[in-house]
Amino acid sequence: DQQVKQNSPSLSVQEGRISILNCDYTNSMFDYFLWYKKYPAEGPTFLISISSIKDKNEDGRFTVFLNKSAKHLSLHIVPSQPGDSAVYFCAASARAGGTSYGKLTFGQGTILTVHP
Amino acid sequence: EAGVVQSPRYKIIEKKQPVAFWCNPISGHNTLYWYLQNLGQGPELLIRYENEEAVDDSQLPKDRFSAERLKGVDSTLKIQPAELGDSAVYLCASSTGLAGAEETQYFGPGTRLLVL
Repeated sequence: DQQVKQNSPSLSVQEGRISILNCDYTNSMFDYFLWYKKYPAEGPTFLISISSIKDKNEDGRFTVFLNKSAKHLSLHIVPSQPGDSAVYFCAASARAGGTSYGKLTFGQGTILTVHP
Repeated sequence: EAGVVQSPRYKIIEKKQPVAFWCNPISGHNTLYWYLQNLGQGPELLIRYENEEAVDDSQLPKDRFSAERLKGVDSTLKIQPAELGDSAVYLCASSTGLAGAEETQYFGPGTRLLVL
């Protein structure tokens, strides 16, 4: 049972344009969400997070949007740069407890390619 | 500040052989995690330590996998005996342990294991 899903295995965008990466989740206990970026042969690097009490969090070129009713989050990168080319993972955790407390459940990842 | 250190970076062994992975977390981080990442998938938690106590090992296949964090700092993950299906990347992560379920986990580069 895949509790966090990234349905687009890959995304290709032109430099300077917006990249939008999507993520859906099914577990209603999830209330803290993160995005990680991963380059080949490296571990995932934390990008940005959002708590369920917010619907938007911004950090420079990166903005995460959360739609709790739809159990959907997205990462917007504006403007996209060639150095953003990597695999992006969304992850979720539960603050209230239960089996998902303190552990990150990851999606399968989306490969982003930004063309010059 | 040094990040999470893992060794070895790569390991090739024959099936039925034992193998061990080592992790040194970020200094001062009380919580340590071991994740397994299969090709094309997101990381999956194997075990979580708070200091030297394993607080979540529900996903660790205990018939062949073991882990320890004796002094609450470094950790070792062992597989004995290894099977072909164990070929994957083994990631170690750490966090401060102070923010509850809103912890940001910082990942090491991983150990890529190939079982022949």
